[in-house]
Amino acid sequence: GENVEQHPSTLSVQEGDSAVIKCTYSDSASNYFPWYKQELGKGPQLIIDIRSNVGEKKDQRIAVTLNKTAKHFSLHITETQPEDSAVYFCAASAREKLVFGKGTKLTVNP
Amino acid sequence: DGGITQSPKYLFRKEGQNVTLSCEQNLNHDAMYWYRQDPGQGLRLIYYSQIVNDFQKGDIAEGYSVSREKKESFPLTVTSAQKNPTAFYLCASTRRDGLEETQYFGPGTRLLVL
Repeated sequence: GENVEQHPSTLSVQEGDSAVIKCTYSDSASNYFPWYKQELGKGPQLIIDIRSNVGEKKDQRIAVTLNKTAKHFSLHITETQPEDSAVYFCAASAREKLVFGKGTKLTVNP
Repeated sequence: DGGITQSPKYLFRKEGQNVTLSCEQNLNHDAMYWYRQDPGQGLRLIYYSQIVNDFQKGDIAEGYSVSREKKESFPLTVTSAQKNPTAFYLCASTRRDGLEETQYFGPGTRLLVL
């Protein structure tokens, strides 16, 4: 079945710097790659997603890139702010189910 | 949370007791899912349902049961057979737009064992 690896598990940056989180997947049939942000004690919130027919998608300070050949995708957050601090999860969709990475705890220091 | 509600927010279970977690959505989504979240483990799929009166086991279904009698409701029962039930439980539903699916989550229920 699908396996998703996410790195790093923790990431600390200074306010205004960029943050990059990387994920790899194993199932070449996966065609949908969402990213979720989870604040403490709350459910994950979809922040951006990408489908296999595009290589990059951007929404304000957030962008996602996808390399299907290498089976990896990345989340890029520019001009980080303290409110970006949270746990971020990547996922890959194969056969009607999402498989999640183990999460990255992002801390943005003021 | 977008129209997915979970109750209660906190739930306490005694040894040997079955408890049921509620998940309701008013988004007219066909598919619904239950995940378990433990620290450092990410989200693991317990059960999912693509259509009313049908559901499939996920990766960690043992000790859990579900029903899908109505499109908007997908309750999860944590049975006494689940020996380590303490976790954060998340319900999700999926919007389909042609061949594309987008999954949204509820606010979660934290289950604690007394």
